[in-house]
Amino acid sequence: NAGVTQTPKFQVLKTGQSMTLQCAQDMNHEYMSWYRQDPGMGLRLIHYSVGAGITDQGEVPNGYNVSRSTTEDFPLRLLSAAPSQTSVYFCASSTRAPGATNEKLFFGSGTQLSVL
Amino acid sequence: DAKTTQPNSMESNEEEPVHLPCNHSTISGTDYIHWYRQLPSQGPEYVIHGLTSNVNNRMASLAIAEDRKSSTLILHRATLRDAAVYYCTLSGAGSYQLTFGKGTKLSVIP
Repeated sequence: NAGVTQTPKFQVLKTGQSMTLQCAQDMNHEYMSWYRQDPGMGLRLIHYSVGAGITDQGEVPNGYNVSRSTTEDFPLRLLSAAPSQTSVYFCASSTRAPGATNEKLFFGSGTQLSVL
Repeated sequence: DAKTTQPNSMESNEEEPVHLPCNHSTISGTDYIHWYRQLPSQGPEYVIHGLTSNVNNRMASLAIAEDRKSSTLILHRATLRDAAVYYCTLSGAGSYQLTFGKGTKLSVIP
């Protein structure tokens, strides 16, 4: 079972470059989200989506854009990369949004991004 | 959103039980308690969740205090593969996000 697939696994960018982190899930999950993880900071939510065509901001959305044109895919775009965006990025999905439910999140294996 | 508090780190000897505590004193009546763990260089994975009653699954047990202001994740027999960061988090009514703190880094000593 593929679950949540993230690509690429590693990426090095120069300041000002743009790129898209890909996330795809094959479980027909309505809810998808992006987290970043920095040393000593735990996981912080960037953006999330409760279904195709619906996205919203999380705790740290600045510098990132998302869209959800299909149920399966939820790409994260960096329009102009900055060194502060050096981090490990995780995509997660679940059947429904987490609020007051017993839904569990399924995470991808992460993308390690370095911005020089 | 209700917050959780966990110790930064804990140690356990291999094959001994481990009790990982979590405080969530501002929990509301409809919040579920979830536990996830993150093995080195991997994404987090679900461990267990509960609402009011204690819960058991093949990975662990979850003991929830009667007032629900704290919970304990119990690994009955720690193995080296259980060395990970363990996160306690709450899912609340009307919230579309799970908030992960810094978690507890569990070290297992052979």
